Amino acid sequence: DTAVSQTPKYLVTQMGNDKSIKCEQNLGHDTMYWYKQDSKKFLKIMFSYNNKELIINETVPNRFSPKSPDKAHLNLHINSLELGDSAVYFCASSQFRGGDYGYTFGSGTRLTVV
Amino acid sequence: QKEVEQNSGPLSVPEGAIASLNCTYSDRGSQSFFWYRQYSGKSPELIMFIYSNGDKEDGRFTAQLNKASQYVSLLIRDSQPSDSATYLCAVFTSGGSYIPTFGRGTSLIVHP
Repeated sequence: DTAVSQTPKYLVTQMGNDKSIKCEQNLGHDTMYWYKQDSKKFLKIMFSYNNKELIINETVPNRFSPKSPDKAHLNLHINSLELGDSAVYFCASSQFRGGDYGYTFGSGTRLTVV
Repeated sequence: QKEVEQNSGPLSVPEGAIASLNCTYSDRGSQSFFWYRQYSGKSPELIMFIYSNGDKEDGRFTAQLNKASQYVSLLIRDSQPSDSATYLCAVFTSGGSYIPTFGRGTSLIVHP
């Protein structure tokens, strides 16, 4: 069983479109995250939810909106996609807030905006 | 600005050798330290974490932490070609922040 699963794995779309990425974890973790990894492999946190509550919202354009219907799911919706949004987006979860024992990452969604 | 620095590499070592990966950090109040391995096109995978000064061993991996010098290392003994990957250092700092800072990673190549 996949611990943290993301869909879709690849997403190619045109500028200006709206798209969503879904994430689910079956580890029973309380905290979930969205990370963006750019072409230089730099991992940067975007959002974090703890038990459906938003606890971290980094400097991310408001075109990005996370939604957590329950603590096992964290989705990411992106409006009006731009070329600079092209990256790999990772969902992650951790047992404790702050990831004291590390994160479990999903397999990633490679977003290409053309 | 809290920074985590890693040499991007690539670090090339022969099979069977010890690979030494280093990470320095700027925030003296940093409290917990993580090493992740990321194969090309895959997601990061947690290898080890360390909180206290000294060494922590897990199989072929040893994490070393020196808070006075603000560095954390990962040693891989008996390196195998399957260890070839990018190794990411992540640091949790003090002050109630729940955001780890990741380094940009060191690319390791283990050649037969």
